[in-house]
Amino acid sequence: SYVLTQPPSVSVAPGLTARITCGGDNIGSYSVHWYQQKPGQAPILVIYYDGDRPSGIPERFSGSNSGNTATLTISRVEAGDEAAYYCQVWDTPNNHYVFGPGTTVTVL
Amino acid sequence: QVHLVESGGGVVQPGRSLRLSCAASGFMFSTTGMHWVRQAPGKGLEWVAVIWYDGSNKYYAESVKGRFIVSRDNSKNMVYVQMNSLRADDTAVYYCARERGAAGGQALDIWGQGTMVTVSS
Repeated sequence: SYVLTQPPSVSVAPGLTARITCGGDNIGSYSVHWYQQKPGQAPILVIYYDGDRPSGIPERFSGSNSGNTATLTISRVEAGDEAAYYCQVWDTPNNHYVFGPGTTVTVL
Repeated sequence: QVHLVESGGGVVQPGRSLRLSCAASGFMFSTTGMHWVRQAPGKGLEWVAVIWYDGSNKYYAESVKGRFIVSRDNSKNMVYVQMNSLRADDTAVYYCARERGAAGGQALDIWGQGTMVTVSS
């Protein structure tokens, strides 16, 4: 089955840019979705179809996907962005959803 | 307002069964795929199952295949997961989530608050 990889953690100072990667074999041929989960809360969708933002998600959140890496970029990071971030794809041949292991973003 | 509310969680002994329910409101339930996703304590998200908008197709993670059954009642705006032969490693918060599309592959744009299932003797 398809496997996604993410760095366990990313640390960033307020006001700077955080980049969270999601690796997978030829992931550029998949549509990647990204979720944010704060402690004790349900996940929320922050990016879908590689780079689209749902209504209500700040423009500071953006996404890209090419080759073997998809990237979630958070610009002008704020303290409220501290959370775990998960990438996800649809493993079409197996009709399975696959989540990455998650990346914890810490704002210094 | 779009809303998903799970119920039915609790403590259950290994080998027993439990049925979780998810009540949907605020959107056209019969046109969207519905998923179950779980999260073991301190762990990441694990997809469990999907049921298409009309119930015609259901797919399961390998870890639950043959033990869990997902179903839906579009007349009641409800989705269910029947969990049989429960094991300790099924212990998790179970979320239901709405898919942006009807039949698999799209993002999960609405999530419930989750219900905790603990499998323990």
